[in-house]
Amino acid sequence: DQQVKQNSPSLSVQEGRISILNCDYTNSMFDYFLWYKKYPAEGPTFLISISSIKDKNEDGRFTVFLNKSAKHLSLHIVPSQPGDSAVYFCAATDTGNQFYFGTGTSLTVIP
Amino acid sequence: GAGVSQSPRYKVAKRGQDVALRCDPISGHVSLFWYQQALGQGPEFLTYFQNEAQLDKSGLPSDRFFAERPEGSVSTLKIQRTQQEDSAVYLCASSMRLAYEQYFGPGTRLTVT
Repeated sequence: DQQVKQNSPSLSVQEGRISILNCDYTNSMFDYFLWYKKYPAEGPTFLISISSIKDKNEDGRFTVFLNKSAKHLSLHIVPSQPGDSAVYFCAATDTGNQFYFGTGTSLTVIP
Repeated sequence: GAGVSQSPRYKVAKRGQDVALRCDPISGHVSLFWYQQALGQGPEFLTYFQNEAQLDKSGLPSDRFFAERPEGSVSTLKIQRTQQEDSAVYLCASSMRLAYEQYFGPGTRLTVT
């Protein structure tokens, strides 16, 4: 049973425009959420995170939004750059021990 | 600086063979996680160590899977009598105490033929 879902397997965006990656979860006990970026043949790299006590966290071009009532989070990248092309995973945890990952969204930024 | 390293990067095993996958976490990282990532899927939790103590092994798919971290640094994931369904990328991650952000290694791609 997938507790974290990324329903869009892929996304293409023009360079300079906004990329919006979405993630839904089912477990209301999740209290911390993370986004990871993954290039081929490498492990995931931590990008940005958010605690359930917040609804927005921003770091440079990356902003994560959390809507607890909808059990939805999104990652906004603006402006998108070709180097942002990668697979993005969202993850969630309720204990800090087990982390649940989505299936990933492959982002392509077109120059 | 040195990140998380894993060896081997690629492993081909015949069905029924035993394999051992190694993870060297970032020095000083207390927490260590193992994940299994099947093709087209996200990483799935296998087990978690805090120092040398294995605090959660609920994600290990069968008793053929065994993990250890005897001195609280290097960890080994062992799979006995490998089956085709064990084919996946095995990722190791480490993190500092009380931190949620994990640092992943490049993974070991296991192919069971």
